[in-house]
Amino acid sequence: NAGVTQTPKFRVLKTGQSMTLLCAQDMNHEYMYWYRQDPGMGLRLIHYSVGEGTTAKGEVPDGYNVSRLKKQNFLLGLESAAPSQTSVYFCASSLASGNTIYFGEGSWLTVV
Amino acid sequence: KNEVEQSPQNLTAQEGEFITINCSYSVGISALHWLQQHPGGGIVSLFMLSSGKKKHGRLIATINIQEKHSSLHITASHPRDSAVYICAVRFMRGSQGNLIFGKGTKLSVKP
Repeated sequence: NAGVTQTPKFRVLKTGQSMTLLCAQDMNHEYMYWYRQDPGMGLRLIHYSVGEGTTAKGEVPDGYNVSRLKKQNFLLGLESAAPSQTSVYFCASSLASGNTIYFGEGSWLTVV
Repeated sequence: KNEVEQSPQNLTAQEGEFITINCSYSVGISALHWLQQHPGGGIVSLFMLSSGKKKHGRLIATINIQEKHSSLHITASHPRDSAVYICAVRFMRGSQGNLIFGKGTKLSVKP
């Protein structure tokens, strides 16, 4: 059972570079989420999607873009990375908003 | 304002001890989640509850809606329980219906 899979797991970027984090889920979930986790803070929602072809802004969306072209995939893009985007990124999915949420293993991103 | 507070921030226990982690929230909720994050980083869902009490093995989660408070209990704690425990809440109003997370409680169980 793969569940929620994130790639890459680790990445170092230079300021101004771009990259895409890929999230894939095999549970046929409608809802998918991207969070960031920073020291001393709770997980914060960046963007989310309530179904294929839909995306919405979360609490901290600036500097990120997302796409959900296929139901099983949710991509998080950084167009021009900044040191403030150094963080651990978690993808998650759920069948609906009120259901159990399943997380990926996390992606460690460092921007230098 | 929709807020979630956990206590304590850090907790050290001896193997076998009974452990309680607390979560308080500011306004009405539709659901509360308890999550576990292991040192490697992975996060797993332990419980989702909106009332009463749930039990799974040595873990018990309770919620008091009137007092806006939930507790996670671990009985007969073991070093493998060492992890960060996170409370997350879905508020009835605001936050676009998305989960708001506490900062976590870091538990260390010594053998």
